[in-house]
Amino acid sequence: SQQGEEDPQALSIQEGENATMNCSYKTSINNLQWYRQNSGRGLVHLILIRSNEREKHSGRLRVTLDTSKKSSSLLITASRAADTASYFCATSDRGSTLGRLYFGRGTQLTVWP
Amino acid sequence: EAEVAQSPRYKITEKSQAVAFWCDPISGHATLYWYRQILGQGPELLVQFQDESVVDDSQLPKDRFSAERLKGVDSTLKIQPAELGDSAMYLCASSYRLAGPEGANVLTFGAGSRLTVL
Repeated sequence: SQQGEEDPQALSIQEGENATMNCSYKTSINNLQWYRQNSGRGLVHLILIRSNEREKHSGRLRVTLDTSKKSSSLLITASRAADTASYFCATSDRGSTLGRLYFGRGTQLTVWP
Repeated sequence: EAEVAQSPRYKITEKSQAVAFWCDPISGHATLYWYRQILGQGPELLVQFQDESVVDDSQLPKDRFSAERLKGVDSTLKIQPAELGDSAMYLCASSYRLAGPEGANVLTFGAGSRLTVL
């Protein structure tokens, strides 16, 4: 079953604007990851944040994690048409020896030129 | 850049037929995963291998699905017989585990195999 829930389900913005996607989850986690999926393709890992971290940056990506609220957000700054894709959060349960990842349903981001 | 190879990219079959998917993970990745992704949803784990051993197949419909990774390298996922509800993208991924007391699996996915059952 799926652990994370992304919000919104769909987001449409203009190039240059910032895009913010949120993820809520239910259990205690070891880490949370964000992946991107272009239409009809496999997923690509973007960024990982551990449970003891609150914020992380990678290029135009900024991820925050609030374990007390069991939520995370992904911010893409200065978006480009090439950022059009589905974005998924994935969580790994605390105490899991296998590190199994549970994916949400995703946010479909469309960036218009 | 190393990739996870999957074939075929597309497969159309009739219900009750057998279908097989192949995956070659990134060299050196001991962990291999098969995920199923229904259109509009996130990937759901079917089976996870550590080397040649299955470590998690709790979500694999074992009456019709089977998976193997005989030499701990490439893997095959089979469906027999296929049903209409099996239409989906089948994604293979492999991973390394980050160092540290709570190591994390970072997955590299293949391009997927799109199955349509008629």
